[in-house]
Amino acid sequence: NAGVIQTPRHKVTGKGQEATLWCEPISGHSAVFWYRQTIVQGLEFLTYFRNQAPIDDSGMPKERFSAQMPNQSHSTLKIQSTQPQDSAVYLCASNWGQDTQYFGPGTRLLVL
Amino acid sequence: GDSVTQTEGQVALSEEDFLTIHCNYSASGYPTLFWYVQYPGEGPQLLFRASRDKEKGSSRGFEATYDKGTTSFHLRKASVQESDSAVYYCALSDLGGSNAKLTFGKGTKLSVKS
Repeated sequence: NAGVIQTPRHKVTGKGQEATLWCEPISGHSAVFWYRQTIVQGLEFLTYFRNQAPIDDSGMPKERFSAQMPNQSHSTLKIQSTQPQDSAVYLCASNWGQDTQYFGPGTRLLVL
Repeated sequence: GDSVTQTEGQVALSEEDFLTIHCNYSASGYPTLFWYVQYPGEGPQLLFRASRDKEKGSSRGFEATYDKGTTSFHLRKASVQESDSAVYYCALSDLGGSNAKLTFGKGTKLSVKS
């Protein structure tokens, strides 16, 4: 049984470029969550979807960040005009209605 | 808003030592509490959870008891092994449970030497 899949595992972008991160939740899970992990801030909630509908985006930066879930098998996190401070590990998690969330391995984003 | 405080940023122990990592929380409702463990290059994975006062969660020799009175969920293990070296996160989920976001503590890096 595959866990949460995140691609790419590593991404390097230049300042000002766009970055798109992909997440494939565990089959049958109804909710997808995105978190950001940095040394300074730790693990921070960004946004989540339930049954593909956006439920809570209270952690998303107001500019340059957007997330979508076009179908039940994947979600994307897009960062426009990336900045060095966006460098972090972006984690995706999913669950099926219990409160235990299952995490993917993360995408390590480095903005030069 | 909700918050989780882990007192220890780093803990260094020898094998067979006793481990305690302190976790205190602040939440407006009645949260579910979690301990997650993260190994290098991986996402956090659930160690165990507890959802009501006095409930004890446990796994792999680790345990913690939900204490609503002191708003605590301290992680303990009687005898650590080198393989326990990892980062441990205390977290809570509020808003009645399913599909609610997790609020994490800052994490505690445990290093165990043989």
